[in-house]
Amino acid sequence: SAVISQKPSRDICQRGTSLTIQCQVDSQVTMMFWYRQQPGQSLTLIATANQGSEATYESGFVIDKFPISRPNLTFSTLTVSNMSPEDSSIYLCSAHIPGQALSYEQYFGPGTRLTVT
Amino acid sequence: DQQVKQNSPSLSVQEGRISILNCDYTNSMFDYFLWYKKYPAEGPTFLISISSIKDKNEDGRFTVFLNKSAKHLSLHIVPSQPGDSAVYFCAASVASGSRLTFGEGTQLTVNP
Repeated sequence: SAVISQKPSRDICQRGTSLTIQCQVDSQVTMMFWYRQQPGQSLTLIATANQGSEATYESGFVIDKFPISRPNLTFSTLTVSNMSPEDSSIYLCSAHIPGQALSYEQYFGPGTRLTVT
Repeated sequence: DQQVKQNSPSLSVQEGRISILNCDYTNSMFDYFLWYKKYPAEGPTFLISISSIKDKNEDGRFTVFLNKSAKHLSLHIVPSQPGDSAVYFCAASVASGSRLTFGEGTQLTVNP
């Protein structure tokens, strides 16, 4: 298994500001993912972040709003820019740990609970 | 387009009995299916997975069944324990390590 940590665990932000969420994995991984879980909803993929390349965004998510960095194989950041109350969600990072036989699962961080007022 | 659906938002069972959580999918390209458990204020925790080449995978109290022709999978928990009370998500992907598509989740409550 892998240990994934996120910072901050929660934050309350004013509309119009930006927040950067950090994700740290305790082993080197190729692919990291950022998901959002809005209140009462399922998890929705925001983007896939590969080291050394631009993040790939899902439909409905754009780089200007959710810039992502992936400077090395254990770390990524997601910024929620120009926040509005609709951005209030739990933001989760995840990673697939390669090299394990028949391993399909992704491991998730504990999430960052964001409230925008 | 909801490609993975969990039609039951909640399920309540007695301790010691079987819990059966269901999931349907529409994308025939999905090849791997996973179940996650999520407690409030925590990230999802991986439970069990199954590849499309199998129809059953068992791990302790957890068994996942896959019916490819019906595009349906289910998670059986037996015996159910109060600590199993959580939201259960099924997820699917087209390849190992690729993006996951999640269902809406089912809140399982196991009563003592």
